[in-house]
Amino acid sequence: NAGVTQTPKFRILKIGQSMTLQCTQDMNHNYMYWYRQDPGMGLKLIYYSVGAGITDKGEVPNGYNVSRSTTEDFPLRLELAAPSQTSVYFCASSYKGAQGYTFGSGTRLTVV
Amino acid sequence: QKEVEQDPGPLSVPEGAIVSLNCTYSNSAFQYFMWYRQYSRKGPELLMYTYSSGNKEDGRFTAQVDKSSKYISLFIRDSQPSDSATYLCAMNRDDKIIFGKGTRLHILP
Repeated sequence: NAGVTQTPKFRILKIGQSMTLQCTQDMNHNYMYWYRQDPGMGLKLIYYSVGAGITDKGEVPNGYNVSRSTTEDFPLRLELAAPSQTSVYFCASSYKGAQGYTFGSGTRLTVV
Repeated sequence: QKEVEQDPGPLSVPEGAIVSLNCTYSNSAFQYFMWYRQYSRKGPELLMYTYSSGNKEDGRFTAQVDKSSKYISLFIRDSQPSDSATYLCAMNRDDKIIFGKGTRLHILP
């Protein structure tokens, strides 16, 4: 049972480039979330989804897009990367909303 | 006032000591209270989960919620070097979880 799988683990992007961070879960969870974590700033919610075909903005959505075509996958798209998007990105899922998440191991992104 | 406040530390204690980690919050609508542990360069993992005021114990860990004071605590008994990590308090708002900034804990052998 793999849980929540994130790829890639590390990535360096140049300013203006685009990329997709992948997130897959095999627990049949309806709820999925994307957070970014910056040193000393805690976890900030970017986007979340309560089921396939449904997505909504979190606290810091600007510069990002998501889609949820299947229960398993919740990719995060970065368009026109900026240095402010340098961060560690975590995907999480849960069976029943806020009652405890399972996190992936993170993607460490640097924009130069 | 931030919704969730947590002292970032770092907090250094000797092995075997009792550790007390705390958070305060401002939103009385929070229902579920959680503690996550995050090792360096890893994702957070759920450690304790409580609903309503009171204590919950799991091995060496005790989570305490005081809704009247809007204050939650995590106690670690007989602390071990393997407990060295960042501990994040968390609580729900609707279907989302709001996290504290985390307290870095060092257990000194």
